[in-house]
Amino acid sequence: GDSVTQMEGPVTLSEEAFLTINCTYTATGYPSLFWYVQYPGEGLQLLLKATKADDKGSNKGFEATYRKETTSFHLEKGSVQVSDSAVYFCALSDPGQAGTALIFGKGTTLSVSS
Amino acid sequence: GAGVSQSPSNKVTEKGKDVELRCDPISGHTALYWYRQSLGQGLEFLIYFQGNSAPDKSGLPSDRFSAERTGGSVSTLTIQRTQQEDSAVYLCASSLGGRDEQYFGPGTRLTVT
Repeated sequence: GDSVTQMEGPVTLSEEAFLTINCTYTATGYPSLFWYVQYPGEGLQLLLKATKADDKGSNKGFEATYRKETTSFHLEKGSVQVSDSAVYFCALSDPGQAGTALIFGKGTTLSVSS
Repeated sequence: GAGVSQSPSNKVTEKGKDVELRCDPISGHTALYWYRQSLGQGLEFLIYFQGNSAPDKSGLPSDRFSAERTGGSVSTLTIQRTQQEDSAVYLCASSLGGRDEQYFGPGTRLTVT
């Protein structure tokens, strides 16, 4: 079945460092891809998404490009801030089916220090 | 108006007791999902409701788990005869339709002692 694999954390960075969190997926169809973020004490929020190959999702300085050839959707940010400290989840869904549940990776904890 | 709300925020129960968890979706959202977030298993889908259609129960881990959605709005997840492995954060999400962005509630943290 479909699955998502993302790099294990925790990832510890200094403020203004470059961030990459790797995510690869396995899917039989053409999934939509997502990054969700969970800030401490808060619920899951959609960070960005991409619905087809070569699409780039972006939000709050974060970017991820849907790479069908490498089945990847790596999350990047050029300069992280302390406020970016959170858990990041890569996820996919099959847009061909109404109401298909999200399939999540295990999550990557990011800790940014000043 | 408000986002997805869940209650209670925390629940501690003894092994063997039944628990009910509540989810109030965003008004007008026809699709509602339940997920479970645990240390060992990460985020797992449990059940999905769309309008008045029969729910997709394919993610429920055992027959001790059930859910209802009354009037196409509020949903209740019931766990009977709770076990320690049921300890997790139970998340509810809703979306406008079955293919739309899902909005998550803050979750209910269940601890089974």
